This record gives sequence, structure tokens and C-alpha cells, in this order.
Amino acid sequence: QVQLQESGPGLVKPSETLSLTCTVSGDYIGTYNWAWMRQPAGRGLEWIGRIHASGSSNNSPSLKSRVTLSIEPSNNQFFLRLTSVTAADTAVYYCAREGAGRSADSWGQGTLVIVSS
Amino acid sequence: QSALTQPASVSGSPGQSITISCTGTTSDIGNYKYVSWYQKYPGKAPKLMIYDVSDRPSGVSDRFSGSKSGNTASLIISGLQPEDEADYYCSSYTTTDSRIFGEGTKLTVL
Repeated sequence: QVQLQESGPGLVKPSETLSLTCTVSGDYIGTYNWAWMRQPAGRGLEWIGRIHASGSSNNSPSLKSRVTLSIEPSNNQFFLRLTSVTAADTAVYYCAREGAGRSADSWGQGTLVIVSS
Repeated sequence: QSALTQPASVSGSPGQSITISCTGTTSDIGNYKYVSWYQKYPGKAPKLMIYDVSDRPSGVSDRFSGSKSGNTASLIISGLQPEDEADYYCSSYTTTDSRIFGEGTKLTVL
């Protein structure tokens, strides 16, 4: 059974870059698309973007210019970079596998990232 | 790109059935079968309940079902149980090769 685990700093200063890693176990990362989502406190889920092992990716139109996704199949990891963060980027960030129907069928437990000086 | 529209809350008594609607546009729900539904408890990761409008992943109770008509998708939960009390989110693939979520619906089991 596939498992995903997010890791990275829990506190980022405004205007700096948020960097997160998702480590995948129990499945080969080269088989699927992999995605990032987030949920600010008290609000709904937001799709950030997806990446395939080939390196092809697509990001949310609203975050496109600030988001970079990358992947390292040899380590079964993929990565999120979000530049120029503000308090509005404070959220629980989730990584997930995109399975049938482009649905997120397996999720990490989530990691809270707070943007504050 | 605005979020899909869901009711903020729905409620029902144990044993009853409820329906949660999810309204989008011809750029998302109306154009694809790639509609999915997620169950989320506070502090927990979302769980996929329905994909491709009406398919259930292995292990999900058949009390959960889905449908779609035009730009609106629906999640139906029959035989409500206390453990169904959670937040539910719909999601759709879009014409920009991205994904959009609904605003979320809080289900209360009375």
C-alpha cells in the first residue's frame, strides 16, 4: 500500500520561499502523476499542481507564477517550491497520488506551514 | 477560477439519506467525467470516496454513491451513520488541465 510523507520547515518568513518534500513508499513514483494540495485554517482545499515522473507538470492558474514542482524518481520523492510567500500561504500542505480519473486516491498526513516573521 | 459551489452544511438523522450538490461550469464538471468526492475529518487527511462521478474505491461503503447532471454533481449518502459526520469536498478536472475543489460541506448527523 502506497504511503506518502510530507516534510519541510514549519515556519517560513514573508517574502521567502516555501520548500516541501514528499517521500513516497510502497509504490514506484514513475507510474503515476503526483500532486500537491493545501488547506488554510477554516477554509477549503486548494489544488496547487501535479507532476509526472517524466518531469511534465501543470500548476494552478492562480499560483502558476510562484510554484515550481520537481521530481526525483531515483529517491521516490517529489518537491514543491512556492516563492514570495505571504500570510495567505499559511496552510496545511498535502501531497497525494493521482490515480483513476485523475482523483487523489492516496494522501500524506499533511504538514502545517506558517508564514510569519 | 472560482471554487465549485457546495452548500455550507447539510444534516440528517441516522438511517436517513442525504444529498450534497456540487455546481460548476462547462469548463469543469459539465465537460468531464473526472468528478471526485472526498471525506475529511478535522486534523486528518482527505479520503477519496467517489471518483469518475460514480465509482467507489475499494473499501468504501456502498452507502456512498455519486451522480452528475449537466454542470452539477451530487454525492448521496444513504443509511446515515454517526461516523459519516465530516466535511465533504467535491473536485473536478478542468479545461486548463488543472483541478478545482468545492468550498466544502459540513455534514451533521443529528
